[in-house]
Amino acid sequence: KQEVTQIPAALSVPEGENLVLNCSFTDSAIYNLQWFRQDPGKGLTSLLLIQSSQREQTSGRLNASLDKSSGRSTLYIAASQPGDSATYLCAVDPREAGTALIFGKGTTLSVSS
Amino acid sequence: EADIYQTPRYLVIGTGKKITLECSQTMGHDKMYWYQQDPGMELHLIHYSYGVNSTEKGDLSSESTVSRIRTEHFPLTLESARPSHTSQYLCASSELAPNVHTQYFGPGTRLTVL
Repeated sequence: KQEVTQIPAALSVPEGENLVLNCSFTDSAIYNLQWFRQDPGKGLTSLLLIQSSQREQTSGRLNASLDKSSGRSTLYIAASQPGDSATYLCAVDPREAGTALIFGKGTTLSVSS
Repeated sequence: EADIYQTPRYLVIGTGKKITLECSQTMGHDKMYWYQQDPGMELHLIHYSYGVNSTEKGDLSSESTVSRIRTEHFPLTLESARPSHTSQYLCASSELAPNVHTQYFGPGTRLTVL
């Protein structure tokens, strides 16, 4: 059964730092991997989607990588800002029909000014 | 503007009441989902639909039911709410094609059953 783990569970950094969030998954047979952002009490916003054939995706200050063979993905945030404070969720789309995304518990990021 | 909506955003009700959580999307997506999320925990899929008249149970056992009579509408119903149903409920939608689709999420309904 596919399991998704995110480390660390929480992270506090001063403004301006570059940081890396980690995500690991147990079954490499996936369609894609996605990173989402969730603000307190809100829904999820899709940040980046990496297809199984891709190695990385970039959007602004965000860069996500995917190593399917080792079951790992990282989300790199450059020059962090207080507005980046949120919970970041990693989710994999398994190949089995009839299922939806499988989520990790998330990393809660706090960026202080 | 294409979007996905959930109502109500917050709901506090007594045990035994019947409730319906509404979800609508204007993107013409075929697939829709309901997730349940407890504080600090993962999202768990409770129901999904491939299109009109299609409904399936997800990985997490739930006492709720869903219907899909129209493409844009995917309501979730609890016939008799209990305190164990207290949680956040998130609705999402996506295109049918795997591999390239992303899921779009609504703002969520935070349900408290007293």
